[in-house]
Amino acid sequence: GENVEQHPSTLSVQEGDSAVIKCTYSDSASNYFPWYKQELGKGPQLIIDIRSNVGEKKDQRIAVTLNKTAKHFSLHITETQPEDSAVYFCAASDGAAGNKLTFGGGTRVLVKP
Amino acid sequence: KAGVTQTPRYLIKTRGQQVTLSCSPISGHRSVSWYQQTPGQGLQFLFEYFSETQRNKGNFPGRFSGRQFSNSRSEMNVSTLELGDSALYLCASSYRTGPDTEAFFGQGTRLTVV
Repeated sequence: GENVEQHPSTLSVQEGDSAVIKCTYSDSASNYFPWYKQELGKGPQLIIDIRSNVGEKKDQRIAVTLNKTAKHFSLHITETQPEDSAVYFCAASDGAAGNKLTFGGGTRVLVKP
Repeated sequence: KAGVTQTPRYLIKTRGQQVTLSCSPISGHRSVSWYQQTPGQGLQFLFEYFSETQRNKGNFPGRFSGRQFSNSRSEMNVSTLELGDSALYLCASSYRTGPDTEAFFGQGTRLTVV
């Protein structure tokens, strides 16, 4: 089955700096890669996603890149703000297994003011 | 429109008991997936229901079961609870099932088994 590795597990950045989280996946059939942000006491919130026919996608201060050949994808957050502090999860789905998502282990991001 | 609603938010149960958790998906969504979140194992897929049929199942024992009703609301049941079942149980709602389908999570039910 699919396996998703996520790095780093923790990330501390100064407010205004950029943050990058990287994920690798094992199943070449995977074609959908969402990113979730989870704040304390809440469920994961979908923040951005990318499909296999796209190499990069941006939404204001966040962007995601996908390299299907290398089987890795990354989340980039620019101009970080204290409210970006949370745990971020990457995930992968191949569609053949319905809506099943395989998640990475998570990255705890701390933005220091 | 309203998001995904999970009830109850918190539960404390004793080993050996059973528990039922409920999930109401976003209006118009027909797929409901369940996940278990623990510090040690992270987010793990339990099962997905679409149009009242189980679409897929994760690697969990048969003590974990679920169902979906005609209004797309879903319940999951855990029988003969074990200490290791303590976790945050999350429900995700999707418009359909299949490739590149967005999934939206509820706030979860925190289950503590004592």
